Amino acid sequence: SQTIHQWPATLVQPVGSPLSLECTVEGTSNPNLYWYRQAAGRGLQLLFYSVGIGQISSEVPQNLSASRPQDRQFILSSKKLLLSDSGFYLCAWSKDRLYTEAFFGQGTRLTVV
Amino acid sequence: AQSVAQPEDQVNVAEGNPLTVKCTYSVSGNPYLFWYVQYPNRGLQFLLKYITGDNLVKGSYGFEAEFNKSQTSFHLKKPSALVSDSALYFCAVRDDAGNNRKLIWGLGTSLAVNP
Repeated sequence: SQTIHQWPATLVQPVGSPLSLECTVEGTSNPNLYWYRQAAGRGLQLLFYSVGIGQISSEVPQNLSASRPQDRQFILSSKKLLLSDSGFYLCAWSKDRLYTEAFFGQGTRLTVV
Repeated sequence: AQSVAQPEDQVNVAEGNPLTVKCTYSVSGNPYLFWYVQYPNRGLQFLLKYITGDNLVKGSYGFEAEFNKSQTSFHLKKPSALVSDSALYFCAVRDDAGNNRKLIWGLGTSLAVNP
């Protein structure tokens, strides 16, 4: 069966520090991968999605970047965090078909202080 | 343009009563519709989906949803609510028009089931 791992679960970082959140998927190949941010426990904002290694689409201009160095690994990064980067970050994967659902990691609560 | 609306920020229901969480959508082609649930500080969990066929879709934890093409709706229902159903519920859609593979999400509805 497929599983998705996202870590860490919580993170407190000072303003200006770098960020690296990692997400890995097991039990499937060539998944579509997604990074979302959820602010204030409500709506989901798609940040990045990837349909293959090295293929990253950015949805919104921001202080963050994403990379996919391996087929089942998706990394969210920042060189210098801003206070506004605080939020709940969710990684997800899906098969590359319109009718398939997405499966989510457990999320990372990032607090920038 | 694709869009999803969840008109209610919050739904309150007494335990044992039926519950409905509303969702309407707008797409160019045929919709693929999904419901997810999120418990506090957790990732989203898939509940059910409509692809084609029977308009009534059954999913996890006793939930079901009814696809209504004429009203462009996909409301989530459960005949008898449990306190443990209290959570945040999200509706999402994709359509088969164009080359867009992304899910379009509603803003979520907070369900509170009172004992």
